[in-house]
Amino acid sequence: AQSVTQLGSHVSVSEGALVLLRCNYSSSVPPYLFWYVQYPNQGLQLLLKYTSAATLVKGINGFEAEFKKSETSFHLTKPSAHMSDAAEYFCAVSGGTSYDKVIFGPGTSLSVIP
Amino acid sequence: EADIYQTPRYLVIGTGKKITLECSQTMGHDKMYWYQQDPGMELHLIHYSYGVNSTEKGDLSSESTVSRIRTEHFPLTLESARPSHTSQYLCASSNEREQFFGPGTRLTVL
Repeated sequence: AQSVTQLGSHVSVSEGALVLLRCNYSSSVPPYLFWYVQYPNQGLQLLLKYTSAATLVKGINGFEAEFKKSETSFHLTKPSAHMSDAAEYFCAVSGGTSYDKVIFGPGTSLSVIP
Repeated sequence: EADIYQTPRYLVIGTGKKITLECSQTMGHDKMYWYQQDPGMELHLIHYSYGVNSTEKGDLSSESTVSRIRTEHFPLTLESARPSHTSQYLCASSNEREQFFGPGTRLTVL
């Protein structure tokens, strides 16, 4: 079985500052990991995904995440926050078969302060 | 263009009405999902399908029902809407791993 925790339901950063959103997972099989972003009144959009290739994954809009098996973590980072990054971010995990459902974390709301 | 569509985007309806939320995808995916999400809250899986004539209930109990008669179409129906059904409903489809989401339907039941 898989599960996801996201530390911090709300994160605020200043414009231009580092963005760090935390995600820890639990999985009994090698996981596939995802970060999604959701803007108000919209669906979820995939930012990046880890599928057992490179442990440092680069995504859209300047975001990246690093898979650390020893820490069971998949934290999302961006060197310099933009106002347009303000949104809800969801970490998700899936198991090793195509019939595994994707399990979403509770989400982290990112605010960017001018 | 391959995409996933949901209609209507917004719906305000009175208690007791029957409603159907539409979801269609042109990506050729076999797997489709319905999630319920309250504002600023986590997603709850309420229904999923692995292909035509396959439907399963998700992790969150829901009074809604779904059907999958065609690969590209996965509608959700509420026979008698209640204020407790007020929420956002997100439809998704997936290939082997990644899920693709529609824009959602925000439902308000008065």
